[in-house]
Amino acid sequence: QKEVEQNSGPLSVPEGAIASLNCTYSDRGSQSFFWYRQYSGKSPELIMFIYSNGDKEDGRFTAQLNKASQYVSLLIRDSQPSDSATYLCAVNRGRSGAGSYQLTFGKGTKLSVIP
Amino acid sequence: ETGVTQSPTHLIKTRGQQVTLRCSSQSGHNTVSWYQQALGQGPQFIFQYYREEENGRGNFPPRFSGLQFPNYSSELNVNALELDDSALYLCASSSATNTEAFFGQGTRLTVV
Repeated sequence: QKEVEQNSGPLSVPEGAIASLNCTYSDRGSQSFFWYRQYSGKSPELIMFIYSNGDKEDGRFTAQLNKASQYVSLLIRDSQPSDSATYLCAVNRGRSGAGSYQLTFGKGTKLSVIP
Repeated sequence: ETGVTQSPTHLIKTRGQQVTLRCSSQSGHNTVSWYQQALGQGPQFIFQYYREEENGRGNFPPRFSGLQFPNYSSELNVNALELDDSALYLCASSSATNTEAFFGQGTRLTVV
């Protein structure tokens, strides 16, 4: 079983719609979770991190964490063509509080927002 | 820009050769991690250095080695290059005051 799993997509949504990206992880002891966006040929950039069960909102983005189900999701509201990218889910096996980010990534979900 | 710089940006090597990739961490960051990202895959954790000591390693063979210097910059060395080593190599730096790791732009290594 892979440690972090994501649907590879592609996921296509019309402009203005809600894009829903999902991720499951295998290590029940994981404490911190990250969503990165990666444009083709570029390095990953952090969108959000979440440590506690429930929802965390930042602008058009909402991260949801359910540790009992070992499930993390990212919702993008009012999707824009500029949101078209690969979205990577990552779990930290290091100690985030100590600045130790040893991230296990999923393969990523490719999102296309159609104008 | 994150303040993390990697060099070179692109590199072509022949199978069996050795390569050194470099990373300058963001000012004040004492932790550097290296990742390998093959085409169509997510980044895979290679190892991490904290204050010049290795502080964790992923599932990579010993021919992948590294160093961190007193100024916290870092090198990734790969010996006996194989075709499957062709990938984007990413460096990320952080410190205890950060809530994230900051990635450099990456080095694209092609092994022929």
